[in-house]
Amino acid sequence: GEDVEQSLFLSVREGDSSVINCTYTDSSSTYLYWYKQEPGAGLQLLTYIFSNMDMKQDQRLTVLLNKKDKHLSLRIADTQTGDSAIYFCAEKGGGADGLTFGKGTHLIIQP
Amino acid sequence: GAVVSQHPSWVICKSGTSVKIECRSLDFQATTMFWYRQFPKQSLMLMATSNEGSKATYEQGVEKDKFLINHASLTLSTLTVTSAHPEDSSFYICSARGLNNEQFFGPGTRLTVL
Repeated sequence: GEDVEQSLFLSVREGDSSVINCTYTDSSSTYLYWYKQEPGAGLQLLTYIFSNMDMKQDQRLTVLLNKKDKHLSLRIADTQTGDSAIYFCAEKGGGADGLTFGKGTHLIIQP
Repeated sequence: GAVVSQHPSWVICKSGTSVKIECRSLDFQATTMFWYRQFPKQSLMLMATSNEGSKATYEQGVEKDKFLINHASLTLSTLTVTSAHPEDSSFYICSARGLNNEQFFGPGTRLTVL
């Protein structure tokens, strides 16, 4: 089946930028998403990007997509303690309805 | 906008009983909803796609007779875990599909089967 890979942990200092990376295998991906999950909570949609876009910026968030390498990244500028959470990368294939999720990246903020 | 609710937020039940979980889109109509389960420190795994007015589509390995899905209206889908056993204990999350194919997730339901 299709696969989405992420690093399990990322540690950054408060105020620095965080870059969370994701790779996927489905060449027919149409949409790619970033979700945030805080402890014991559901998923919050942060942003998404269409597969024909290279970049999308939304306030502190910047998404970069390299479709050739099947690589997606999420950059959080000026990382704050409230950004501490698990960030999931997900993709929607051309034929499928449901999303395929990565295992999530734990973002740890150091004071 | 795009709020999805789930009820209950947590439930504890005895082995062998059935549990119903509701998923509602509060401010939009959703012809398609999805049910996922998430084990501790794991990713979300799609269980089934729920389509309003038709039968749900189950992912491989998910027993349709055990996980009954009913999508009776454009704002409500229900998941019933029948004859629940301890191995069914998990975090069940639903989502509703928006106009741009994004999925808006509910807050999840934690099921514990004793």
